[in-house]
Amino acid sequence: QSALTQPASVSGSPGQSITISCTGTSSNVGSYKFVSWYQQHPGKAPKLMIYDVTKRPSGVSNRFSGSKSGNTASLIISGLQAEDEADYYCSSFTSTNTFVFGTGTEVTVL
Amino acid sequence: EVQLLESGGGLVQPGGSLRLSCAASGFSFSSYALGWVRQTPGMGLEWVSAITGRSEATYYADSVKGRFTVARDSSKNTLYLQMDSLRAEDTAVYFCAKEISGSGSYYGALDSWGQGALVSVSS
Repeated sequence: QSALTQPASVSGSPGQSITISCTGTSSNVGSYKFVSWYQQHPGKAPKLMIYDVTKRPSGVSNRFSGSKSGNTASLIISGLQAEDEADYYCSSFTSTNTFVFGTGTEVTVL
Repeated sequence: EVQLLESGGGLVQPGGSLRLSCAASGFSFSSYALGWVRQTPGMGLEWVSAITGRSEATYYADSVKGRFTVARDSSKNTLYLQMDSLRAEDTAVYFCAKEISGSGSYYGALDSWGQGALVSVSS
């Protein structure tokens, strides 16, 4: 399975909202609810931010939300804060009983 | 507090073998699926393998199928990744991670991660 497609970088000013897209195919994102989003700061392990397309793990800010339309999933970060500056990865279950990650998006807070 | 601690990384020659271990604590080990994810330094994440809570099922990425074997030992609360026929492209930091759901099934939602173990494949 090829990696899901994400924009290389997204930026925004503090307080703004940004959206990160994650485009797959009908063999992964388009057919399953098992889409997750991870945040990774440099030198750290990834952190789960969203799972099952829209669910937020305990302790994750409600400024983070997820959605899906067709073959594209999205992560929305509202009220952007300096601490949100990190790399973000989506992942999805696939039709071959495997998982695939996205190419990753670097978020910059201006 | 959930803790995952990888060990067993190191330098190995192409064609060689290595076994990673991931010692788990702070949760009911057999109730949770576990997975392995790797990351080439400076690059993105790649899903590698997963195993259900009671080892009913295992899953592998095409890139490692037939060369890597995932297993778990509930008596030791430890996850393993046996890596054989290693290639240069297997060089990466390998993370073990725990599924968020306590059903034992694997859904790819990994809510706790280890710090990673570096595997370098080079002659």
